[in-house]
Amino acid sequence: DAKTTQPPSMDCAEGRAANLPCNHSTISGNEYVYWYRQIHSQGPQYIIHGLKNNETNEMASLIITEDRKSSTLILPHATLRDTAVYYCIVRVGGGNQGGKLIFGQGTELSVKP
Amino acid sequence: GAVVSQHPSRVICKSGTSVKIECRSLDFQATTMFWYRQFPKKSLMLMATSNEGSKATYEQGVEKDKFLINHASLTLSTLTVTSAHPEDSSFYICSAGPAQSTDTQYFGPGTRLTVL
Repeated sequence: DAKTTQPPSMDCAEGRAANLPCNHSTISGNEYVYWYRQIHSQGPQYIIHGLKNNETNEMASLIITEDRKSSTLILPHATLRDTAVYYCIVRVGGGNQGGKLIFGQGTELSVKP
Repeated sequence: GAVVSQHPSRVICKSGTSVKIECRSLDFQATTMFWYRQFPKKSLMLMATSNEGSKATYEQGVEKDKFLINHASLTLSTLTVTSAHPEDSSFYICSAGPAQSTDTQYFGPGTRLTVL
């Protein structure tokens, strides 16, 4: 699976949009981009995933560049409860039979009042 | 989304004893589950892939005799830390995804193991 690069930490003001970047320049054509987050001492929480089109759900939006070498997770109106470590992961899709999730170091997002 | 549970949430044991951690998929069946461990201030490290009805696949450097995995049914995988030592103290987390789902895995809440 391709590796990802994320900034180690970011700050965001409460109520503003949080834009978390991720580089995955060696991504393969059949690899999806996944985002998870982990609040302290809890299991990771699924946020969103995509292959090449931009995706949006009730939690966030995922913007993937046309060459698929980078992506951005957008939390449109960050709250204090969004403070967490955010992980960008790429892995082969197509079911849960072999697609391991390999975690990098992630971005520690701090949402401040 | 789908729900994955773990039991116990926290366990303290003496050095030399064995500890069993359960991972259950509550509202779906999972032929594959994954086990991770996480040290303080560190990222999750994949330990093994648990396969229903067959042997687990361990990541490089993970001792299979130390961390026994049993995936006896489509909703339950267990991780047993045998002859635990203080260096095994960690946060253990499992994940699973519906067998019919295209991609998404869901994580359990984790088990905090402390070996005295």
